[in-house]
Amino acid sequence: DAMVIQNPRYQVTQFGKPVTLSCSQTLNHNVMYWYQQKSSQAPKLLFHYYDKDFNNEADTPDNFQSRRPNTSFCFLDIRSPGLGDAAMYLCATSRDPQVGETQYFGPGTRLLVL
Amino acid sequence: AQKITQTQPGMFVQEKEAVTLDCTYDTSDPSYGLFWYKQPSSGEMIFLIYQGSYDQQNATEGRYSLNFQKARKSANLVISASQLGDSAMYFCAMSVVSGGYNKLIFGAGTRLAVHP
Repeated sequence: DAMVIQNPRYQVTQFGKPVTLSCSQTLNHNVMYWYQQKSSQAPKLLFHYYDKDFNNEADTPDNFQSRRPNTSFCFLDIRSPGLGDAAMYLCATSRDPQVGETQYFGPGTRLLVL
Repeated sequence: AQKITQTQPGMFVQEKEAVTLDCTYDTSDPSYGLFWYKQPSSGEMIFLIYQGSYDQQNATEGRYSLNFQKARKSANLVISASQLGDSAMYFCAMSVVSGGYNKLIFGAGTRLAVHP
């Protein structure tokens, strides 16, 4: 089945230690998104790629970066995680960036910062 | 301002009964899309149903239907014949074009508990 895969499902890191979360997709979608979701809150868009074009949300901290080496993979890098970065990180894809295109989500990675 | 409002933090329903989850939206764009997602405790966001702003008929997907009232800017989700497995967080989201790209704006969510 075509799907969005996120690894790992759970990640524990230390304060200030760089961490990378990965997302892969077999849907062959052009757009990949990264969301941050803190406990009991709605998901918040961090950035997205349309093919190789990177689009950062205005309020995404510089501490968060992303890479998309090919159509299938997208990575979220947190350069110096703080305690406030503990959250669920959701990857999503859509075929195209038009209104009405459904975004399909992966299972998420829960990040714990010690 | 583009905004999604879900006024019910929590809802309870008896198994096999129907339940309506409320969602209102605000946008000045004529073209937009409305989505409902289910998020179980495992964390995955599961797409349930979609309604386009130009769609004349209300969307239905199995036990899910979307009560779209454009003039009132509401897009309520109706779940018929509730099952225990429907217990989850439900998010209403609006798709708008921002900076040339499709962006999903989420509501705060409604936690649904289905009782046997």
